[in-house]
Amino acid sequence: AQKVTQAQTEISVVEKEDVTLDCVYETRDTTYYLFWYKQPPSGELVFLIRRNSFDEQNEISGRYSWNFQKSTSSFNFTITASQVVDSAVYFCALSAMDSSYKLIFGSGTRLLVRP
Amino acid sequence: DAGVTQSPTHLIKTRGQQVTLRCSPKSGHDTVSWYQQALGQGPQFIFQYYEEEERQRGNFPDRFSGHQFPNYSSELNVNALLLGDSALYLCASTSPTGSVEQYFGPGTRLTVT
Repeated sequence: AQKVTQAQTEISVVEKEDVTLDCVYETRDTTYYLFWYKQPPSGELVFLIRRNSFDEQNEISGRYSWNFQKSTSSFNFTITASQVVDSAVYFCALSAMDSSYKLIFGSGTRLLVRP
Repeated sequence: DAGVTQSPTHLIKTRGQQVTLRCSPKSGHDTVSWYQQALGQGPQFIFQYYEEEERQRGNFPDRFSGHQFPNYSSELNVNALLLGDSALYLCASTSPTGSVEQYFGPGTRLTVT
């Protein structure tokens, strides 16, 4: 069975602070993909990044960076110098070949960036 | 290039009624998936359509059914609505090139009273 755990329900930071959102996943598949989505108050899920199980390279995109570690089954997301516009709910998700790549989401982390 | 569109935006129904939600995939995408997102939770997979067939299904009762049309657009139907069906219903589309990214629409917020 596949499972995604986001233990942080809500995080509140002051603007310009760095913040890391944790994601731990479970799967028996050897081929799988991990995703992060952002959900602003409007409700639409915005795709941020995808990593596949064979690529453990960390990635940086502007203020965003992702740390994928298979040894700990984690795929953490860091926002550097947070901004008010980063306030949203962030979801980590897993899709695996054995489940026909349907997305399995964590429960989300609500990030509030205060000015 | 239009993204995924969904209609209606909001809907209020009474228990026992039936509802139909609609989705048009992103241009060039041929696979449509539906998710239910209850308040404060992550989206839950309902089912996926490809080539007008239901390819796989999540743990949802038969009251939830769908359809995909030749132009790849899709409908989600829910019969005998329950209060617990109140949620944001999200549609996502995937391209035919073997990509696994799913692109989501803005959702339809269904309230059952």
